[in-house]
This record gives sequence, C-alpha cells and structure tokens, in this order.
Amino acid sequence: NAGVTQTPKFRVLKTGQSMTLLCAQDMNHEYMYWYRQDPGMGLRLIHYSVGEGTTAKGEVPDGYNVSRLKKQNFLLGLESAAPSQTSVYFCASVWAGAAYNEQFFGPGTRLTVL
Amino acid sequence: QQQVKQSPQSLIVQKGGISIINCAYENTAFDYFPWYQQFPGKGPALLIAIRPDVSEKKEGRFTISFNKSAKQFSLHIMDSQPGDSATYFCAARPYTGGFKTIFGAGTRLFVKA
Repeated sequence: NAGVTQTPKFRVLKTGQSMTLLCAQDMNHEYMYWYRQDPGMGLRLIHYSVGEGTTAKGEVPDGYNVSRLKKQNFLLGLESAAPSQTSVYFCASVWAGAAYNEQFFGPGTRLTVL
Repeated sequence: QQQVKQSPQSLIVQKGGISIINCAYENTAFDYFPWYQQFPGKGPALLIAIRPDVSEKKEGRFTISFNKSAKQFSLHIMDSQPGDSATYFCAARPYTGGFKTIFGAGTRLFVKA
C-alpha cells in the first residue's frame, strides 16, 4: 500500500495563478483533510471531507476550494494564489472505525507564491 | 483561534535525558488527545494517544500524563536519543463529527549526542 500520496511535492506560483493539489489514499478511508503548516502555527485545517461528494470548511478555508468526487481522492484548489498562501500543505486520511481515529498524513507539498 | 497551547517552542536535551513537552486545552468537549511526531521533510505520524478517562499511558520510552481537572497533558520522552530529534505536536479531537483534530503549534526537539 502506498498510503497517502500527494502531488506535486514542490511548486512555485506567481501571484494570481491557479493550481490544484492532489491527494490520493489507497486505504479506503472515509475521512480526508487538508492542512497547512506554517512556522509557529502548527497544523491548521483548511477543508475536510467525511465522504465521497461531501466537503466542509475548516479553520482557514478562505482562498481555497476542494472536491471529493472519488472516495480515494481529495483535491485542493487555489483559484488565485497569494503570497500568504506560501506554506507546506499536508493531506491526511482517517478510517472512521479505528479506535483512536489515527490520521495518516501524506509527505506534503511545499508551495511558494511569489 | 488556537484551543490547544503547546510549550516550549523548542527544546534541547542531552542524550539520555528526559524531554518534557506540555500542552493545555480550553474546550472541555475533547475526547481524544494524540501526539504526533514529524521528521524534517515528512508528514506527521501518530506517536501515542490517550483518552480523558486515563491519567497516564506509556509506550516504550514515551509517556503521556493527563490532568483532566487542570486541562493539561504532557509528553515525556525518557532516555532521549538523537533519533528522537523531531517536531512534536500535541492535539485534541472534539466530540463533534468529522473527526476534526486541533493541533498545538509544535515543539522542535533536538537531542544532543
């Protein structure tokens, strides 16, 4: 099993450009999450999904959109990138039936917006 | 707004020493308190977790101490090793649906050989 994978690993954008980050998991997990990690801020939840076709806002959703058309994929979109969106983005998934609901994280995408 | 406060921001410990990281939470509606470990360039990974009806949980050299009345919990790493050098996040999960987890700001631990 590959676990949680993220594409791409690195990206540099210019202000105003758009892009989509792809998260894929092969563990048949119901829940998926997008976080951003900034120095001194920990992990902040952007959006999450409790199942195929459903999404919800997290703590810092502004400037981002998401879609979960297939259970195994969770896409994060930036319509018009801003320098404030420079960050490391992590995707995670959870199997709802696990005792501790352990979050399995991907390796991250480092995004720089110039 | 951050509901889980973590300290210290960074920590340097001698090999063989005890590393202690503290966290405090504000919301009482949490039912699960995990700790995640993150190595440079990697995603976080679950290290150890505790439920609020237990005051202590030990797994190898890692121990969580939980004080429900004070709304505080801490991670103790006994006999710290250079391989433990990483960033540690405490976290708390609310009872509400979606299994959202709120993370602390993180502690960068460096264990000197």
